[in-house]
Amino acid sequence: GNSVTQMEGPVTLSEEAFLTINCTYTATGYPSLFWYVQYPGEGLQLLLKATKADDKGSNKGFEATYRKETTSFHLEKGSVQVSDSAVYFCALIDDKIIFGKGTRLHILP
Amino acid sequence: DTAVSQTPKYLVTQMGNDKSIKCEQNLGHDTMYWYKQDSKKFLKIMFSYNNKELIINETVPNRFSPKSPDKAHLNLHINSLELGDSAVYFCASSRGTPGGNQPQHFGDGTRLSIL
Repeated sequence: GNSVTQMEGPVTLSEEAFLTINCTYTATGYPSLFWYVQYPGEGLQLLLKATKADDKGSNKGFEATYRKETTSFHLEKGSVQVSDSAVYFCALIDDKIIFGKGTRLHILP
Repeated sequence: DTAVSQTPKYLVTQMGNDKSIKCEQNLGHDTMYWYKQDSKKFLKIMFSYNNKELIINETVPNRFSPKSPDKAHLNLHINSLELGDSAVYFCASSRGTPGGNQPQHFGDGTRLSIL
């Protein structure tokens, strides 16, 4: 069946550091891929998405590229801020949405 | 202006009680969902409705019964609450069908605590 695997957290970085959160997937079809972010006490919000191979999703300085050859959709940001502290979920939609287990990110000032 | 709103935000109750959580979306979406998020932030889909029709029904105890009076509302009723039901329950909605590539919009969650 389809699945999403993302790196376990928590990930702790200093402000202005480079961020990578790894996400790989398995799917029988050609899924759309998403990153969602959950700030403390809130629901999930869509951060970015990509619907086909080699697409790059980007938003708020975050980027992720749909890599079919490595079945990956890693999230990157060049310079993180304290306000980026949250839980990040990788997800795919094939016949239904499947979320990864989430990666908690702490950014220290 | 809230796109997906769920009530109540907090729910504290005794084991064995019956409770309901309500969800409404004003986005005109066709599909609504219920998720359960445990203390480790693991998110699990429970149900999905498309135009009031049940589409996804994951392995959930039959104490949980969703009801969709119209496509803008999806309520969740839970009978005989158990300690393991303590979690945050999220409602979400999206355009199209669950298998489409449309993103989901989430409510802020209902924090259910069973004493």
